[in-house]
Amino acid sequence: GNSVTQMEGPVTLSEEAFLTINCTYTATGYPSLFWYVQYPGEGLQLLLKATKADDKGSNKGFEATYRKETTSFHLEKGSVQVSDSAVYFCALSGGGGSYIPTFGRGTSLIVHP
Amino acid sequence: DAGVIQSPRHEVTEMGQEVTLRCKPISGHNSLFWYRQTMMRGLELLIYFNNNVPIDDSGMPEDRFSAKMPNASFSTLKIQPSEPRDSAVYFCASSPPTGTSSYEQYFGPGTRLTVT
Repeated sequence: GNSVTQMEGPVTLSEEAFLTINCTYTATGYPSLFWYVQYPGEGLQLLLKATKADDKGSNKGFEATYRKETTSFHLEKGSVQVSDSAVYFCALSGGGGSYIPTFGRGTSLIVHP
Repeated sequence: DAGVIQSPRHEVTEMGQEVTLRCKPISGHNSLFWYRQTMMRGLELLIYFNNNVPIDDSGMPEDRFSAKMPNASFSTLKIQPSEPRDSAVYFCASSPPTGTSSYEQYFGPGTRLTVT
């Protein structure tokens, strides 16, 4: 079956540091890949997505590239802010025609001033 | 659009009581998902509806849990009887038709359930 593995947190950074959160997946077919963000006390929000190999999703300074050869979708940001502190979830859906999404366990990011 | 609406936002109840959580998906979306989130287990998919029909309920913990979707704009998740281990945040999410999207989901704010 499908699975998503992302690095365990928490990831603790100083403001303006470079961020990478690793995500790898196994899936049948050609799924769409997503990063969701969850701020404290809120539901998950779609941060960015990519629907085919070599696509780059981007939003709010965050980027991730769909790498089929390495089955990866790593999240990056060049300069994090305190307001980026949240939990980040990597997910996939649509592989093999399945609409049922598969989420990673989430990675907590803490950014200090 | 108002987004996915869930009610109540917080629920505190005693063990043995019936609990009903409600969800209104985004208009035009035809898939609806119920999730449970806890520190121990993370995010768990409970049940998935497509066009108001339950497609996969393999994540429903046991017979105490039931979910319905009587129409395209309303769904309920019921726990009867509730137990302390049901304490969690329950999320509802909806998705647009697959022909118009890439399977992304839109989550509600969640219902925080505490069973004492």
